[in-house]
Amino acid sequence: GENVEQHPSTLSVQEGDSAVIKCTYSDSASNYFPWYKQELGKRPQLIIDIRSNVGEKKDQRIAVTLNKTAKHFSLHITETQPEDSAVYFCAATNQAGTALIFGKGTTLSVSS
Amino acid sequence: GAGVSQTPSNKVTEKGKYVELRCDPISGHTALYWYRQSLGQGPEFLIYFQGTGAADDSGLPNDRFFAVRPEGSVSTLKIQRTERGDSAVYLCASSPRDSAYNEQFFGPGTRLTVL
Repeated sequence: GENVEQHPSTLSVQEGDSAVIKCTYSDSASNYFPWYKQELGKRPQLIIDIRSNVGEKKDQRIAVTLNKTAKHFSLHITETQPEDSAVYFCAATNQAGTALIFGKGTTLSVSS
Repeated sequence: GAGVSQTPSNKVTEKGKYVELRCDPISGHTALYWYRQSLGQGPEFLIYFQGTGAADDSGLPNDRFFAVRPEGSVSTLKIQRTERGDSAVYLCASSPRDSAYNEQFFGPGTRLTVL
């Protein structure tokens, strides 16, 4: 079935460093790839997304890259801050375009 | 404006009981999704509504789970004969456009605990 793999499961960085989270997906029909941030006990919130007709997208300190041939996409956070600490989920649309398939999440810890 | 809301925020029930979980989407959003999130996992798709109809219910784990959206707004997820394995956070999300190729706005979830 459709699957999204996410690595690493945990990531610890020092404030100011960069953080990279990688995901691979199985369904070549997927064409929308959002990233959600979930703070402890809170709802997931979209931080950035990318569609299959674009290879890279940037929003201030956050960027996402997509390689459709290799079926992988990555989240890049530069100049990390303690408030970036959270669980980050990648997702990809299923073949029918009716749902998001989520990765298992990456717990990012930014220490000051 | 108001975001997606879910009630109750917490529900504790006994094995074998029936529960209903409610989702109020953002006004005007036609697409509504239910997901289930277990501890340490990402949200797992359950069902997707376009308006009043379930366009994709392939994620419902078995026939104990059922969801409705009779007027195309509020949705209720119903679980019969609850089992301990049903314990999880049930998340609802809505979107202004049909199909999953658009941002989904999540509610705070209902934490279900089956004793």
